[in-house]
Amino acid sequence: DAGVIQSPRHEVTEMGQEVTLRCKPISGHNSLFWYRQTMMRGLELLIYFNNNVPIDDSGMPEDRFSAKMPNASFSTLKIQPSEPRDSAVYFCASKSISTGELFFGEGSRLTVL
Amino acid sequence: AQSVAQPEDQVNVAEGNPLTVKCTYSVSGNPYLFWYVQYPNRGLQFLLKYITGDNLVKGSYGFEAEFNKSQTSFHLKKPSALVSDSALYFCAVRDGLTGGGNKLTFGTGTQLKVEL
Repeated sequence: DAGVIQSPRHEVTEMGQEVTLRCKPISGHNSLFWYRQTMMRGLELLIYFNNNVPIDDSGMPEDRFSAKMPNASFSTLKIQPSEPRDSAVYFCASKSISTGELFFGEGSRLTVL
Repeated sequence: AQSVAQPEDQVNVAEGNPLTVKCTYSVSGNPYLFWYVQYPNRGLQFLLKYITGDNLVKGSYGFEAEFNKSQTSFHLKKPSALVSDSALYFCAVRDGLTGGGNKLTFGTGTQLKVEL
């Protein structure tokens, strides 16, 4: 298996622009998580899905952030409009209920100028 | 609520010496405990987990961790450190009371630096 696949790996954009980050979980995994990592705040859980349904989005910073999972093999995290304080590395992770451990993608490094 | 504390931001150790990275946790029910490692510009990688059973858990790359219920700790250990072990280490916990649930809470991370 190729693991969790995220795109883009790097994105540089200007304040006010829309940003869409993409994630393909490991086939057969039925839970998907979006995390954000910064030096100041460490690793933060933004939202997670079970069987494509959002379960807990309490970590989503504000209405500018939205996440979708239209099917079991694809998820997006959208920021609109983006702001410089959104600059971070965004990780997607997936797991199966049976094993318990998370498998992380390589991350998407976002820089908002 | 569940939480994890990693009291040390950084741990320095000489190659060949034993290493310990500390972790304490708080949950309502039985803890499911995990250690992850992150190398520069990479995602987190699973090292080992404790769900139930033997308190000493062995994982990848020669790492092990000891579950101590009375001290609510799950310290990561390795008998002989390598320079290549230098990385950022995260402890994580999930509350078993909720049937495992799905929300994994991570600590703030400990930077391990192994020097020659």
